[in-house]
Amino acid sequence: AQSVAQPEDQVNVAEGNPLTVKCTYSVSGNPYLFWYVQYPNRGLQFLLKYITGDNLVKGSYGFEAEFNKSQTSFHLKKPSALVSDSALYFCAVNSGYALNFGKGTSLLVTP
Amino acid sequence: EPEVTQTPSHQVTQMGQEVILRCVPISNHLYFYWYRQILGQKVEFLVSFYNNEISEKSEIFDDQFSVERPDGSNFTLKIRSTKLEDSAMYFCASSEALLGSATSSQYFGPGTRLLVL
Repeated sequence: AQSVAQPEDQVNVAEGNPLTVKCTYSVSGNPYLFWYVQYPNRGLQFLLKYITGDNLVKGSYGFEAEFNKSQTSFHLKKPSALVSDSALYFCAVNSGYALNFGKGTSLLVTP
Repeated sequence: EPEVTQTPSHQVTQMGQEVILRCVPISNHLYFYWYRQILGQKVEFLVSFYNNEISEKSEIFDDQFSVERPDGSNFTLKIRSTKLEDSAMYFCASSEALLGSATSSQYFGPGTRLLVL
């Protein structure tokens, strides 16, 4: 079965510092990988996706993610974190028609 | 920017009652989905819908659940006889195409928080 794992429940980073939210995947075949963000009491907002092509994918709000086939990872990154980036981040992989989500990583950016 | 909308935002119901959750997908999208998120847990797939029929469903989506596209804009999830464990946030999503194509991202609504007492 297609699955992703997010090894960190929470990531803390100071505003202005680079941030990384980790995701590893386990799939058969070529994965389609996604990152979503969830702000409190809000729905899931699409950030970016990897389908094929360049391993570095750029998305919304200055986020990017690097697809690494040898390490089966798809970590989310941002060069300079903002306090407003504090939210819950979900990695996901396709499985048929569905998205299989990781358990989520809470990102806290402190001033 | 077009978005998926859901109503109601919150619903409280008694165990055993029927509930209908409503969604209006993005207008040119062809694939529709329901997911749920039990408090503190990850988002789980329930069902996908295309061309007026269910294309895939999870083991969660048992006979108590049904989906319908009653007209050209709405997409509904019905729970026939709610149980306490149905309490969750229910998200509707839509996509223009199947996952794996250039336009395949699923766009989610804000959710309906269902509380079963």
